[in-house]
Amino acid sequence: SAVISQKPSRDICQRGTSLTIQCQVDSQVTMMFWYRQQPGQSLTLIATANQGSEATYESGFVIDKFPISRPNLTFSTLTVSNMSPEDSSIYLCSVRGTGAYNEQFFGPGTRLTVL
Amino acid sequence: DAKTTQPNSMESNEEEPVHLPCNHSTISGTDYIHWYRQLPSQGPEYVIHGLTSNVNNRMASLAIAEDRKSSTLILHRATLRDAAVYYCIPTGGGNKLTFGTGTQLKVEL
Repeated sequence: SAVISQKPSRDICQRGTSLTIQCQVDSQVTMMFWYRQQPGQSLTLIATANQGSEATYESGFVIDKFPISRPNLTFSTLTVSNMSPEDSSIYLCSVRGTGAYNEQFFGPGTRLTVL
Repeated sequence: DAKTTQPNSMESNEEEPVHLPCNHSTISGTDYIHWYRQLPSQGPEYVIHGLTSNVNNRMASLAIAEDRKSSTLILHRATLRDAAVYYCIPTGGGNKLTFGTGTQLKVEL
């Protein structure tokens, strides 16, 4: 299993500003993922972050809006840039386990409200 | 990715079994069927997965139809702590999880 922590757990931000969300894992993992969960909706994958390479973004998400860093095998950041109220969501990071099932483990999420 | 159809919500009484259905008629032959659940105010957690045969673990059982176009997650004795949104996710064994709308399970005393 993997234990994942995220900072901050929640934040309220003003339109036009940026917020960086941190994700820390208690073990070294190759692949980390960032998801967005809009109010009352399901999860949508934003991007996959591998250490030492550029993140791979899903359709509808771009690096200028959601830059990602992956400096080592236990840490990643997601920045939500030039925020608007439509960015109000829960942002979750996850990692793929290395056990027999390769299941994904999720962090508790960061609840972002943009005014 | 295979499309899934799940009931929006289901209700159960505590201590009773719960059968959560999922239709995935467009599943490919190599897709595994994964189930995750999301408890209130938490990130999703893995429940179980299977390919063709029925599977059991400490959390649940997974019954897969012979034609693999549907599956059923079985909670043998629902508790209040099982109240969550349950997601059925066919995946090709890669890394991408495509979440559908899931089933909101309500458990009552």
